[in-house]
Amino acid sequence: DAGITQSPRHKVTETGTPVTLRCHQTENHRYMYWYRQDPGHGLRLIHYSYGVKDTDKGEVSDGYSVSRSKTEDFLLTLESATSSQTSVYFCAISESDFQYTGELFFGEGSRLTVL
Amino acid sequence: RKEVEQDPGPFNVPEGATVAFNCTYSNSASQSFFWYRQDCRKEPKLLMSVYSSGNEDGRFTAQLNRASQYISLLIRDSKLSDSATYLCVVIPPLTGTASKLTFGTGTRLQVTL
Repeated sequence: DAGITQSPRHKVTETGTPVTLRCHQTENHRYMYWYRQDPGHGLRLIHYSYGVKDTDKGEVSDGYSVSRSKTEDFLLTLESATSSQTSVYFCAISESDFQYTGELFFGEGSRLTVL
Repeated sequence: RKEVEQDPGPFNVPEGATVAFNCTYSNSASQSFFWYRQDCRKEPKLLMSVYSSGNEDGRFTAQLNRASQYISLLIRDSKLSDSATYLCVVIPPLTGTASKLTFGTGTRLQVTL
């Protein structure tokens, strides 16, 4: 299995508090992604990174920010959590642009509940 | 119309049965297609790619029908361990980058004794 670690795996927080999810990889892959998965919506891309300090928005980026200061770490921050951000968050990595490999490796997910 | 649509199921089938799922996509110029498998409360994992000529891997066969804009996944001789949710993934044209790929909501398969 690809070396991807997400932390925390479970978190319960209150509306209005900041939350940071961490994704750590040991594969030295260039591309890293944050997705959220909700019933009826499938996986939706929040932000992705194509290199250190190179990030871009995905489909559902409002309310989220990311940072990548090292190849191995990709952080997702909810500046002020809302109940609509209750979800399961998956980090993923790929060695090259997805279209060529067809394969994303996912972390085990972080389950976030915002009360 | 959603970009990618799947029947959510569940498909309940007995062990040994053959089962097939379809996934329709709206953009006729989409270029790449994949099936992922996701076990309950686990992360998705790539199952197989879908080529224009079809793709077979053991008991699993994936096919693409561009004329009708759908991909299919056929599972023969179903095993209990095949119980999972199967996600289809479509990469649209133009950018063709991971930033634009679209996941279906998944079809749940439950294989029973």
